[in-house]
Amino acid sequence: KAGVTQTPRYLIKTRGQQVTLSCSPISGHRSVSWYQQTPGQGLQFLFEYFSETQRNKGNFPGRFSGRQFSNSRSEMNVSTLELGDSALYLCASSLRHSWDYGYTFGSGTRLTVV
Amino acid sequence: AQKVTQAQTEISVVEKEDVTLDCVYETRDTTYYLFWYKQPPSGELVFLIRRNSFDEQNEISGRYSWNFQKSTSSFNFTITASQVVDSAVYFCALSEAESGGGADGLTFGKGTHLIIQP
Repeated sequence: KAGVTQTPRYLIKTRGQQVTLSCSPISGHRSVSWYQQTPGQGLQFLFEYFSETQRNKGNFPGRFSGRQFSNSRSEMNVSTLELGDSALYLCASSLRHSWDYGYTFGSGTRLTVV
Repeated sequence: AQKVTQAQTEISVVEKEDVTLDCVYETRDTTYYLFWYKQPPSGELVFLIRRNSFDEQNEISGRYSWNFQKSTSSFNFTITASQVVDSAVYFCALSEAESGGGADGLTFGKGTHLIIQP
C-alpha cells in the first residue's frame, strides 16, 4: 500500500516568487493536513482539508493557502515567498477527520528561498 | 492554549542503555490526544503511539514503553536496551479534540534529538 507522497522533494525558489507543493494521500484517505517545520519554530500546523473543504487553519498569513481535489489530493501554495518560508513542509493523511483514525505523514518537501 | 514541552533538547547514550524522553503538556480540555512521533534523517514523521485522555494505561511495544500520568500532565517515552537504529528526533504532540471527536492540528514539542552511540 503506497504511503503519503509529496512532490517535489526539494525546491529552490527566489524571494517574491510563489510555489505550489503537492500531496497525494494514502488511497481511501479523505483528510489531508499540512505542517511547516523550521529549526526556530519547530513543527507548526498550517491547515487541514477534508472532502475538499478546509476544516481548520493554523496561525499563518494569507500568503499560505491550500486546496483539496475530489480525489483527495491536496496542494498548498505560498505566494510572495520570504526567506523565512524556507522549511520542510510535511503533509499527513487520515481516513477521516478524527484523531481516532491516526495520521500518516509523508517525507516532506524541503523548500529553500534565496 | 495548548502547549507541549520537551525539556531535553539532546540525549546521548551508549547502545544497550535505557533512555527516557520526557514530555509535559498543557491543555484546558478534558478530551485530548497525545502522540509520539519519530523523525529519522530522511524527514518523514513515523507514528509511534496515540493515547486519548481517558486511557491512562501504560503501554509497552517491544523495547518501547510509554507512561501517561494525568496527575503530572506527562507522557514519557522509554526505550529499553537502546540500539543505534533508535537514533532520531522524537516528537511528543497534543491535539485537543472538538466535542464529537473532530480533529484540529497537532501541537508539537520542540523534539528531543536522541543519539545512540555504538
